[in-house]
Amino acid sequence: TQLLEQSPQFLSIQEGENLTVYCNSSSVFSSLQWYRQEPGEGPVLLVTVVTGGEVKKLKRLTFQFGDARKDSSLHITAAQPGDTGLYLCAGRAGGTSYGKLTFGQGTILTVHP
Amino acid sequence: NAGVMQNPRHLVRRRGQEARLRCSPMKGHSHVYWYRQLPEEGLKFMVYLQKENIIDESGMPKERFSAEFPKEGPSILRIQQVVRGDSAAYFCASSPPGSTDTQYFGPGTRLTVL
Repeated sequence: TQLLEQSPQFLSIQEGENLTVYCNSSSVFSSLQWYRQEPGEGPVLLVTVVTGGEVKKLKRLTFQFGDARKDSSLHITAAQPGDTGLYLCAGRAGGTSYGKLTFGQGTILTVHP
Repeated sequence: NAGVMQNPRHLVRRRGQEARLRCSPMKGHSHVYWYRQLPEEGLKFMVYLQKENIIDESGMPKERFSAEFPKEGPSILRIQQVVRGDSAAYFCASSPPGSTDTQYFGPGTRLTVL
């Protein structure tokens, strides 16, 4: 059973399009992180959200944490080929010991020029 | 401002040999975490360490795997008598004091067991 479900698993779009990636759970999370990973490299931290309803923006990326802290979304505006990569959500479920992050399976994004 | 460093980046071992993976956290970070990424699977937590202490090893296999973070030097993940199923990418992450959820990852060590 996957604690964090990401959707879609694969996303192939054209440059300039908008997209949203979802991260859902039946559990409440104390915090949630989004990472981007390229082949052969480690995950790069994009954002941490901790408050229900929180919205954070990073240039063309908008991250939202659900009011109940059970879900999150990543929205990319006007996608560019450089956005191509594996996007991972991760978090610490309530009641889980500190430092132990659970990861989703990831969304593989391909942006075609 | 160097990030998390891991070495070696690639490691090849034959079945039965030992593998030692090293991790140096970011400057000022006192928490180290190890994760494993198996082919076609997501990242899985293995262990959380502070200097000279194992805080949570609930994700570590019961046998052959051990980890340490000594007072001086890098954190070491040690796998004894490796088997083919140990082939994976092993990632180390670190976090600053008081912020265990915000973890910064290294580039990983890709272990191949022949």
